[in-house]
Formats: sequence, structure tokens, C-alpha cells
Amino acid sequence: DSGVTQTPKHLITATGQRVTLRCSPRSGDLSVYWYQQSLDQGLQFLIHYYNGEERAKGNILERFSAQQFPDLHSELNLSSLELGDSALYFCASSVDPSGFYEQYFGPGTRLTVT
Amino acid sequence: DQQVKQNSPSLSVQEGRISILNCDYTNSMFDYFLWYKKYPAEGPTFLISISSIKDKNEDGRFTVFLNKSAKHLSLHIVPSQPGDSAVYFCAAIYSGNTPLVFGKGTRLSVIA
Repeated sequence: DSGVTQTPKHLITATGQRVTLRCSPRSGDLSVYWYQQSLDQGLQFLIHYYNGEERAKGNILERFSAQQFPDLHSELNLSSLELGDSALYFCASSVDPSGFYEQYFGPGTRLTVT
Repeated sequence: DQQVKQNSPSLSVQEGRISILNCDYTNSMFDYFLWYKKYPAEGPTFLISISSIKDKNEDGRFTVFLNKSAKHLSLHIVPSQPGDSAVYFCAAIYSGNTPLVFGKGTRLSVIA
């Protein structure tokens, strides 16, 4: 158990809908990262928050947004969903913002868009 | 353009033998490299890392080798055990840039 929790584990929704994925980092970790893993793809970095502030953006679509709350949990909002958004979404946390410290990953949320 | 490449999608090795997983990168700015292991239905877990100032790092049965001139790193597992069967991701990072850049992974199967 990495100490990172993600809810829900599975999500099935229709095209055009909006969903929210939730992540709670390890106790004491201030950094939260979001990654997307599509079929046969590596993990694609989406966005990084550190202590409530956005630190870096990767290949995140404009239909996607995220935030980190004062209690350090984070939410990833996906809207106007398309079939191609079906993927595993991982959240990871680490103690500092540099990226050099180990990132601890949650179990992921599997999103299926039908 | 993929900056971190794992060209072998899968690898099968007999129990007790050596497993060698390879990773190539294109960005010479990368200065820290990591290997993650992933079991089904779980998130990736950190395995071992290496700084670009080193050419080898060892942790028990796991050794990572870095060849900067060839922009190549490899993970050696000796001896391989059935519990090592998982997908292994290579990742890289460089100073001033926080996101890890991952390869697509190599699925290792250790056969008893």
C-alpha cells in the first residue's frame, strides 16, 4: 500500500459527460501528480500541483482541469468526454516539488467512456 | 516524439536466470533515471534509480547500468523470481523540470 488513495476505482460513463477523479496523497506529501495511461502507452504526465499551486502542465487537454485543495487532496475533472479518454488515470504524490524524490502512485482509476 | 523508449514490449525469462530490461533515451538533458514496477490492478511502485553522475547502482537483486554516451540504461535482475513478473517502466527527469517522462513499459514474465 503506497498510502495514496484514489476514488473511484472504476468509472463508466457516456460520451459528452463530465467526471471527477479524486486523489488523496500520502500523509506529509505536498506534491500531487496526475498521469494518464492509455492502452499500450506509457504513463503520460498531465499536471503537477505543489501545496495548492499548479507547478507544471504536460499534455493535458483543455477539456481537463485539476486542482489541489487546502487539505492537499486533488481532483481531476474531465469534461465533454470522448471515447479516446478511456484510460487508467493515476495520481502520485511526493514530498517535494523537484520530481527527484520518489513518487508514490495510487492504484488508479479506470475510466471507460462508452 | 518519444524521449524515453523501451523497445521490447515483452520479455520471458526462466526462474533463476538473469533478466535484462533495456531503455533508451533521446534527451541529453536527462540527469536522473528511475525504474518502476507495476503489477496488474496496482499503481507503479518505485524500484531503483540512478543519477547521471554514476554508471551503476545496485540494490539487492536489482542493478541499473547507465551508459550516457549511448543514452542507454538497463535493469538487471539476478536471479529472476516468479514474483518479478510485472510491467517495468523506465522513467527520466532533468533538473528544473518536474514531470517524469516514462517509457511504454516492458512486460517481464519469469517462468518457473
